[in-house]
Amino acid sequence: GQQLNQSPQSMFIQEGEDVSMNCTSSSIFNTWLWYKQEPGEGPVLLIALYKAGELTSNGRLTAQFGITRKDSFLNISASIPSDVGIYFCAGRVSQFYFGTGTSLTVIP
Amino acid sequence: GAGVSQSPSNKVTEKGKDVELRCDPISGHTALYWYRQRLGQGLEFLIYFQGNSAPDKSGLPSDRFSAERTGESVSTLTIQRTQQEDSAVYLCASAWGNTEAFFGQGTRLTVV
Repeated sequence: GQQLNQSPQSMFIQEGEDVSMNCTSSSIFNTWLWYKQEPGEGPVLLIALYKAGELTSNGRLTAQFGITRKDSFLNISASIPSDVGIYFCAGRVSQFYFGTGTSLTVIP
Repeated sequence: GAGVSQSPSNKVTEKGKDVELRCDPISGHTALYWYRQRLGQGLEFLIYFQGNSAPDKSGLPSDRFSAERTGESVSTLTIQRTQQEDSAVYLCASAWGNTEAFFGQGTRLTVV
């Protein structure tokens, strides 16, 4: 199956810093989703985007559906230790395709 | 149930044995996905079911892997003659139409 290019692969940041990660594809998608996975758990949906150019926030998280429909980014502001985990993007046309994940470590 | 349910949550099996993993999707969800996640790795697509359409099996790594789903209900992923490289977490997700996909907690498979 197709995979999306997600970057960076891993991040080590100080508590309080802002985080930015993105996802790109050669294909156009109708939906972009961002998930977070904590150790031993399944991925949990954070934000869903349905329209090109859409900017959506969920607390300290902000995500955008790229205007070309081929990319999306996720920002986390003022990171805290519980933000630790692996973040996955997903794009959908007829089915979902997932990014390779960004592993986030927050240093207190 | 309210969410996607997978069973068992953990499975330890001997090399060469067959295993069957189960996924109960959210009621009414027409789409169902199986993924494999090796330790510290991303999500590896295995198979996708959408309603009564023919499944997309393009991600199944070998003919030892198969999956079934009857209608919009339970799905089972079967791995025959398990190998140590099959050890991973197997995740199931379901979705309805163009909406979000929701994941189960996964089945951690260990082949010894």
